Amino acid sequence: DSGVTQTPKHLITATGQRVTLRCSPRSGDLSVYWYQQSLDQGLQFLIQYYNGEERAKGNILERFSAQQFPDLHSELNLSSLELGDSALYFCASSVGRVRETQYFGPGTRLLVL
Amino acid sequence: GQNIDQPTEMTATEGAIVQINCTYQTSGFNGLFWYQQHAGEAPTFLSYNVLDGLEEKGRFSSFLSRSKGYSYLLLKELQMKDSASYLCAVKDSNYQLIWGAGTKLIIKP
Repeated sequence: DSGVTQTPKHLITATGQRVTLRCSPRSGDLSVYWYQQSLDQGLQFLIQYYNGEERAKGNILERFSAQQFPDLHSELNLSSLELGDSALYFCASSVGRVRETQYFGPGTRLLVL
Repeated sequence: GQNIDQPTEMTATEGAIVQINCTYQTSGFNGLFWYQQHAGEAPTFLSYNVLDGLEEKGRFSSFLSRSKGYSYLLLKELQMKDSASYLCAVKDSNYQLIWGAGTKLIIKP
C-alpha cells in the first residue's frame, strides 16, 4: 500500500458524459501527478500539481482538466468522453516538486461505452 | 526528441537470472527509476540511480552508466511473482519523468 488513495476504483459511463476522478496523496506529499494508461500501453503523463499550483503539463487533452485543493487532494475532470478515453487513470504523489520518487495510487479504471 | 528504449518482452525461467536493459536519450539527466507493474495494478517503485554504478537491493540490482545513456535491472532467483512489466523512467533537465514503454517479463516454470 503506497498511501495514495484514488476513488472510484471503477467507473462505467457513456460517450459524451463527464466524470471526476479523485486522488488523495500520501501524508506530507505536496506534488500530485496524473497519468493515463490505455490497454497494453505505456504510462502517459497528463499533469502535475505542486502545493495547489499547476507545475507541469503533459499530453493532456483540452477536454480534461485538473485541480489540487488546499487540503492537497486532487481531482481530474474528464468531459465529452469518447470511447478512446477508456483507460486506467493513475495518480501519483511525491514529497517535493522535482527530485523525489513518485508513489502511485491503485488507479481508477474508466470504461466509456 | 526524448527517447527511452526497452525490449518489449522477455522470457526467463524460474530460479534463473534476467537482465532488462534500458537506453535513453534525454535533454539532461537527473536520475533514473525502475518500477514494477503487475497487469492492471499500479506501478511500484523498485530503484533509483543517479550516479554511475550498481545499486543492490535484495534480489534486484540496478546499474547505470551516464556516459553511455544506459541502465539495466538485474533480477536474480526469479520467482513466478516476478512476472510483470518493468518500467524505466528518466528525469530530464526540467525534472520531468520520461517513461519507457515497459518490458513485459514472462517467467516460465
